[in-house]
Amino acid sequence: GDSVTQKQGQVTLSEDDFLFINCTYSTTTYPTLFWYVQYPGQGPQLLLKVTTANNKGISRGFEATYDKGTTSFHLQKASVQESDSAVYFCALVEGSGYNKLTFGKGTVLLVSP
Amino acid sequence: GGIITQTPKFLIGQEGQKLTLKCQQNFNHDTMYWYRQDSGKGLRLIYYSITENDLQKGDLSEGYDASREKKSSFSLTVTSAQKNEMAVFLCASSIEASNSGNTLYFGEGSRLIVV
Repeated sequence: GDSVTQKQGQVTLSEDDFLFINCTYSTTTYPTLFWYVQYPGQGPQLLLKVTTANNKGISRGFEATYDKGTTSFHLQKASVQESDSAVYFCALVEGSGYNKLTFGKGTVLLVSP
Repeated sequence: GGIITQTPKFLIGQEGQKLTLKCQQNFNHDTMYWYRQDSGKGLRLIYYSITENDLQKGDLSEGYDASREKKSSFSLTVTSAQKNEMAVFLCASSIEASNSGNTLYFGEGSRLIVV
């Protein structure tokens, strides 16, 4: 079955640091890839998505590239802010069939001022 | 814009009790979902529904029932609450089920506490 792996359980940074959150996936189809962000006390919300291999998604200073060769979709941001502190989930949905997302375990990002 | 409303925000019950969580959406979306969120385990799909009166099992459906009597509402029942089921339950909706890649819109979650 499909799976999404996020190796980092928690990332701790200071403001203006570079952010890198690891995400790799496994599927037999041509998936759409997502990053969702969950702020404290809220449900997850879409941060960005990419439907086509080798394309990059960009939103609010975050970016991720759909790398079919390495089956990765790492999340990056050049300079984090304290307000970026949240849980980040990588997810995929198969290219056909129902819109059932498979999520990774999530990475907690803590940014200190 | 629309909103997903989950009730109650906290649900406290005893072991063995049958407990129900409710979800309403005003997006007029076709598809609704129930996910369970455990710390360190991500989000796991319990049930989803592609239209009114439809139910589809997810990966974690054992021990749960669901009901979609109206397009706007989707309820989840824990058939016999256990202490290892304490988690946050998230309801979501998307515009339709057949076009993979549609955005999911989530509610704020309901926390289940079993005493």
